[in-house]
Amino acid sequence: EPEVTQTPSHQVTQMGQEVILHCVPISNHLYFYWYRQILGQKVEFLVSFYNNEISEKSEIFDDQFSVERPDGSNFTLKIRSTKLEDSAMYFCASSSVGREGEFFGPGTRLTVL
Amino acid sequence: TQLLEQSPQFLSIQEGENLTVYCNSSSVFSSLQWYRQEPGEGPVLLVTVVTGGEVKKLKRLTFQFGDARKDSSLHITAAQPGDTGLYLCAGVAGGYNKLIFGAGTRLAVHP
Repeated sequence: EPEVTQTPSHQVTQMGQEVILHCVPISNHLYFYWYRQILGQKVEFLVSFYNNEISEKSEIFDDQFSVERPDGSNFTLKIRSTKLEDSAMYFCASSSVGREGEFFGPGTRLTVL
Repeated sequence: TQLLEQSPQFLSIQEGENLTVYCNSSSVFSSLQWYRQEPGEGPVLLVTVVTGGEVKKLKRLTFQFGDARKDSSLHITAAQPGDTGLYLCAGVAGGYNKLIFGAGTRLAVHP
């Protein structure tokens, strides 16, 4: 069964460093998303991406964040200058049709020291 | 701001019992999804409901979307230890391409 994959599974970085989280969405999906979940809290929406552009973003997704689909398969989330409060699980998701069910990857645990 | 409130927050039952968990909001959602999440893993989609009043069944799990599309319920019949986990509801508000998640119901089914 097709699935969303994410790498790395765990990323440790120093405050102020840049990180790039990688995702390979399900191949025939058209909508791509990033969410994050701080330990013990709700899953929070960050950004949605369709037709090679951001379709929606949350207040969390400020100028420190960016997304790219550099080729036909990868979808990346970049955090330019990490802060301690960026420590969280980051989930990539994709869907074939918007609002009809999103399929999540296993997540990348980001730890900022 | 759209919010989804899930209840109960925790539920501990014996194998074979039936249970219902609820997902409520004052906002209307164009669709609502239920997920199950294991510790350290991503949410796994169980079902999407789109039409007010819609009922969907997945083996022993029955999902209902409220007539006004503001609430939903998940009913599990004859719960088994394998049903243990965190159940999340998530809604899409009309015109927005994002999911709003509830905090979840943590279910423990004891043999």
